[in-house]
Amino acid sequence: DAGVTQSPTHLIKTRGQHVTLRCSPISGHKSVSWYQQVLGQGPQFIFQYYEKEERGRGNFPDRFSARQFPNYSSELNVNALLLGDSALYLCASSFWGLNTEAFFGQGTRLTVV
Amino acid sequence: AQSVSQHNHHVILSEAASLELGCNYSYGGTVNLFWYVQYPGQHLQLLLKYFSGDPLVKGIKGFEAEFIKSKFSFNLRKPSVQWSDTAEYFCAVNAVTGGYNKLIFGAGTRLAVHP
Repeated sequence: DAGVTQSPTHLIKTRGQHVTLRCSPISGHKSVSWYQQVLGQGPQFIFQYYEKEERGRGNFPDRFSARQFPNYSSELNVNALLLGDSALYLCASSFWGLNTEAFFGQGTRLTVV
Repeated sequence: AQSVSQHNHHVILSEAASLELGCNYSYGGTVNLFWYVQYPGQHLQLLLKYFSGDPLVKGIKGFEAEFIKSKFSFNLRKPSVQWSDTAEYFCAVNAVTGGYNKLIFGAGTRLAVHP
């Protein structure tokens, strides 16, 4: 039974570059959310997608964007990388609605040098 | 703005000691409450959740939490910890705003259990 899968697991990028992170949700889940976890802090909400539409956005600059595909997988894109973007990026999938729980992937560790 | 506060950033216990981790949130509307655990090298896993009903909820591995609405609290407890409970614990609130749900996490509590 496959859980939430994310790729790549680790990534090193240079300041100013662009990065794309990928996520495949649990089968049957149509909602995908992205979180950023900086060392020593809890995850912070970036985006939520449901049925290929953005349903929520956290307090992140426009350099961050995302999309969801017809198979419900998702990409997170970050442009013009800054050192401060170094973090663990988590993808969570869930059913849509209030009384649902989110299932998290292993995350992508992004290091910007 | 909604927020979640976890009172203890680091906790060190001996095996068999009792555990209580504090969590308070600030949000006036309907909330769902969660505790997640992150074992070393592993992904975030759900320990327990509260949606409605009995405010005392039981989760996996002997953990429980009590929702006290008047105190905006959702503290995590375990009567007797084991070395395998060494992990980071996150309290999270699911606030329904603007038609979507998002999890708001606390900063986490690192628990180290010594044999």
